[in-house]
Amino acid sequence: GQNIDQPTEMTATEGAIVQINCTYQTSGFNGLFWYQQHAGEAPTFLSYNVLDGLEEKGRFSSFLSRSKGYSYLLLKELQMKDSASYLCALYNQGGKLIFGQGTELSVKP
Amino acid sequence: GAVVSQHPSRVICKSGTSVKIECRSLDFQATTMFWYRQFPKQSLMLMATSNEGSKATYEQGVEKDKFLINHASLTLSTLTVTSAHPEDSSFYICSARDQKGGGEKLFFGSGTQLSVL
Repeated sequence: GQNIDQPTEMTATEGAIVQINCTYQTSGFNGLFWYQQHAGEAPTFLSYNVLDGLEEKGRFSSFLSRSKGYSYLLLKELQMKDSASYLCALYNQGGKLIFGQGTELSVKP
Repeated sequence: GAVVSQHPSRVICKSGTSVKIECRSLDFQATTMFWYRQFPKQSLMLMATSNEGSKATYEQGVEKDKFLINHASLTLSTLTVTSAHPEDSSFYICSARDQKGGGEKLFFGSGTQLSVL
């Protein structure tokens, strides 16, 4: 089975940097995803990590350490529109995408 | 990019009725589609995996007779909530994997908000 842990809520200031952590345990690992979700909408793909290291995409970066079962999503130059839920998800060997509980990020002026 | 269309986006029904939700992959073939359910302020919970031409596989605790899944073609999967009750009110989201596109990324439908009165 899988277990995914991420903080329930975080608050940050507009223009700042925020790091959202995700730790996991799984019997089979095929990659880790980060999604952004606004209330009442479908998740939007942000990043995919299958190898250790940092993947950078504009204001968003994602890091993975498979040996530590750890990932983080880094958001730079925060904007008000970044207020959303951020979901860490594991892609397991069964081909299924299993989501963590999500981190509700509030960006304040 | 790949698009997944999900209909209806919102449905309100009376208790005891059945509701069908459609999920279509518009520009790619999807032999596998996934159905998720999301309660307010909670994450997406995988309900079942829909396999084209064969029976769906359900996650533990999901009643197969209550949530009927049909995947009759490579571009369409349907979820029917039978004899819906208020506790079935939730946000249902489908997703599909583009087999040709490397297979890692799932594309999500826009979701269906089901309200059972």
